[in-house]
Amino acid sequence: DAGVIQSPRHEVTEMGQEVTLRCKPISGHDYLFWYRQTMMRGLELLIYFNNNVPIDDSGMPEDRFSAKMPNASFSTLKIQPSEPRDSAVYFCASTPGTGARSTQYFGPGTRLTVL
Amino acid sequence: AQSVTQLGSHVSVSEGALVLLRCNYSSSVPPYLFWYVQYPNQGLQLLLKYTTGATLVKGINGFEAEFKKSETSFHLTKPSAHMSDAAEYFCAVSEGDYKLSFGAGTTVTVRA
Repeated sequence: DAGVIQSPRHEVTEMGQEVTLRCKPISGHDYLFWYRQTMMRGLELLIYFNNNVPIDDSGMPEDRFSAKMPNASFSTLKIQPSEPRDSAVYFCASTPGTGARSTQYFGPGTRLTVL
Repeated sequence: AQSVTQLGSHVSVSEGALVLLRCNYSSSVPPYLFWYVQYPNQGLQLLLKYTTGATLVKGINGFEAEFKKSETSFHLTKPSAHMSDAAEYFCAVSEGDYKLSFGAGTTVTVRA
């Protein structure tokens, strides 16, 4: 399997613009997670899905952030409008639905820079 | 709510020396504990995990960790460091749901 695929790998945008990050989970994995990594706050869970349904979005920082999973093989994280403080590395991860002890497999991340 | 504290944000070791990374956790229920490694410009990769059973857990690349409930610790060790071990290491805890809480990370550098 190709692993978790994220695109783009790098994104540079200007404040106020809309940003869309994309993720393709590993085939057959029922759970998908979005994380954000910053120097100040470390790794934070933003939202996770089970069978395409959002289960917990308590980590989403504010209404400017939204995430969707229209089907089992695709998810997006959108920021509108973007702000400089959104600059971070955003990771997508997936895991099979075999219980909380199952391993989360991470994608390579999208490095977002908002000018 | 669960949390993780990693002692030492940066560890420097000589090649061939012991690697010891410290992790203490807080959890209201028996935890699931994980160590992940992140190489530059890459995603996180699982090194090892403790769920139940044997408290000494062996992982990839010669790493192991021991779950000590009385000390609420899950320290990571490797007897002999290799240059390829240079990376950032994260300890994480789950309280039985799918939500992982990560520590701040420890960056390991290996001196030749």
